[in-house]
Amino acid sequence: QVHLVESGGGVAQPGRSLRLSCAASGFTFNKNGMHWVRQAPGKGLEWVAFISFDGSNEYYADSVKGRFSISRDNSNNTLFLQMNSLRAEDTALYYCAKDVEAIFGVVIDSWGQGTLVTVSS
Amino acid sequence: DIQMTQSPSTLSASVGDRVTITCRASQSISNWLAWYQHKPGKAPKLLIYKASVLESGVPSRFSGSGSGTDFTLTISSLQPDDFATYYCQQYDSYSLTFGPGTKVDIK
Repeated sequence: QVHLVESGGGVAQPGRSLRLSCAASGFTFNKNGMHWVRQAPGKGLEWVAFISFDGSNEYYADSVKGRFSISRDNSNNTLFLQMNSLRAEDTALYYCAKDVEAIFGVVIDSWGQGTLVTVSS
Repeated sequence: DIQMTQSPSTLSASVGDRVTITCRASQSISNWLAWYQHKPGKAPKLLIYKASVLESGVPSRFSGSGSGTDFTLTISSLQPDDFATYYCQQYDSYSLTFGPGTKVDIK
């Protein structure tokens, strides 16, 4: 059974940084691409970033490009999201999610419960 | 970038009703479309992928159709567990895009 557990959320001031982590278990982590998806309060789902199974391909939403960086540690089954230059509009629940494919993001078949990021002065 | 729209934004229905949600892409995405169900406080759940393929374990009252730019999600007989928000999502380009969501609530 796939299990994704996010951590690292919290309160940060505008312009500061946070690093989210996602511990994965229940599947062969190094065979699947992984995503971060967020949901701002009262809003819908917004895709944030994708990384391929081996970390060689990364794709980002325009809203975070140049500020956020996705990475993975396949030896420790962990996904990361480095968030720099945070803005108030980055306030959201951040989900770690597993793709069915390895190289390109297509369909998400498993999600974590999310970690809350609040950007406020 | 490909934009996704959904209609209606909110839908009030009763148990047993047939429910249809529409999703439209700003350009053709062939059949590269998925549908998710999301309940408050829970992780989203994959229902359908490739526009019409039912994910394993999803009840057969859910079905999807469409190709190109226009897609539909149909619930043939709404059950109490189906009250939730539904999102379409395209995967035709390198980036994924979700629709704005359709909330199905109790009439």
